[in-house]
Amino acid sequence: DARVTQTPRHKVTEMGQEVTMRCQPILGHNTVFWYRQTMMQGLELLAYFRNRAPLDDSGMPKDRFSAEMPDATLATLKIQPSEPRDSAVYFCASAEYNEQFFGPGTRLTVL
Amino acid sequence: GENVEQHPSTLSVQEGDSAVIKCTYSDSASNYFPWYKQELGKGPQLIIDIRSNVGEKKDQRIAVTLNKTAKHFSLHITETQPEDSAVYFCAASEGGGYSTLTFGKGTMLLVSP
Repeated sequence: DARVTQTPRHKVTEMGQEVTMRCQPILGHNTVFWYRQTMMQGLELLAYFRNRAPLDDSGMPKDRFSAEMPDATLATLKIQPSEPRDSAVYFCASAEYNEQFFGPGTRLTVL
Repeated sequence: GENVEQHPSTLSVQEGDSAVIKCTYSDSASNYFPWYKQELGKGPQLIIDIRSNVGEKKDQRIAVTLNKTAKHFSLHITETQPEDSAVYFCAASEGGGYSTLTFGKGTMLLVSP
């Protein structure tokens, strides 16, 4: 059945390194969201795209985070340089009409 | 912007009991209220949703109620089972799941056999 896929599932890196997370939305879904989940803040929206165009990235720290959709089958979230406070689970979700379908997440640990 | 408050943060019940989770929202323009279930190591999954033109919606053992005047909505799970144990999130949106969702902080539900 159709599902959102994310890679990698786990990432451990050192402070200052670049991190790239990838998401493949469900085929035909034209809206893609990036969320971050932490114990303290819960689920926070970082950015979202519709038809590959960024609509809102106000939730992202602009100096270190960037999100793109090179094509309709791939969304990327980059952090450069990474910091320990970026440690979290990052979820991608895609939607066509009403329901947002979430991927399994990327658990990021920055040492 | 929208703010969603969710209570309780943890809830323990015995198998067969009912569980109720409550949320309040601040933006009167919100018109779509989904509930998500998140199991350990997985992404949130939609279990039920309600729109502002409906006061109640049921799906087997799960029901959601909405009070627009008071700006609160609730999730009701009857005849709880151990597999209902998970974290549940409420959310609110102005434009359906197609638009940005503001999530509550989550409720960890534990159903003991």
